[in-house]
Amino acid sequence: AQSVAQPEDQVNVAEGNPLTVKCTYSVSGNPYLFWYVQYPNRGLQFLLKYITGDNLVKGSYGFEAEFNKSQTSFHLKKPSALVSDSALYFCAVRGNTGGFKTIFGAGTRLFVKA
Amino acid sequence: EAGVAQSPRYKIIEKRQSVAFWCNPISGHATLYWYQQILGQGPKLLIQFQNNGVVDDSQLPKDRFSAERLKGVDSTLKIQPAKLEDSAVYLCASSPGMGSPLHFGNGTRLTVT
Repeated sequence: AQSVAQPEDQVNVAEGNPLTVKCTYSVSGNPYLFWYVQYPNRGLQFLLKYITGDNLVKGSYGFEAEFNKSQTSFHLKKPSALVSDSALYFCAVRGNTGGFKTIFGAGTRLFVKA
Repeated sequence: EAGVAQSPRYKIIEKRQSVAFWCNPISGHATLYWYQQILGQGPKLLIQFQNNGVVDDSQLPKDRFSAERLKGVDSTLKIQPAKLEDSAVYLCASSPGMGSPLHFGNGTRLTVT
């Protein structure tokens, strides 16, 4: 069965410091991996995805994520955090067998302090 | 391009009443999803359509929830009768293909009293 784990409910970081939001997954076959961000009273917005190829993928707003097959992880990173990055972040995985359904993690709240 | 449209934006009903939500996906997107997001939790997939066929509805409480996607475009999600634990945001999303991300609507916030 597919599953996604985001082990941290909240991540706190100072503005200008690097940030990491963790995600591990379980899926049959090769995964499609995604990160989404949710701002208050807004729908989820796509940040970046990994399908195949280079393990380091770059996305919107300066975010990037590293796919690690051996550790089944897909951590979200940014070299220098901004206060405006404060939001709720969701990792999602889609298997490439069966119904190809997309499963989301529980979310990690990122708080960037000025 | 126009985004995913959902209505209503908010709905308050009493338990045991019925409610329906509507979604219009992005034009040309074959896959449509309904998710339930309870406060403080990640979105939970209720049902996934490919065109007008159901791909997965394993987590849809079929005794009270139903969904349809007529003509492979618009979709409605219905709850009858509603329970207090159905209070949540109901998100509709669409996607053009397997490797593509989901495009979400702004959701319908349901409060059951």
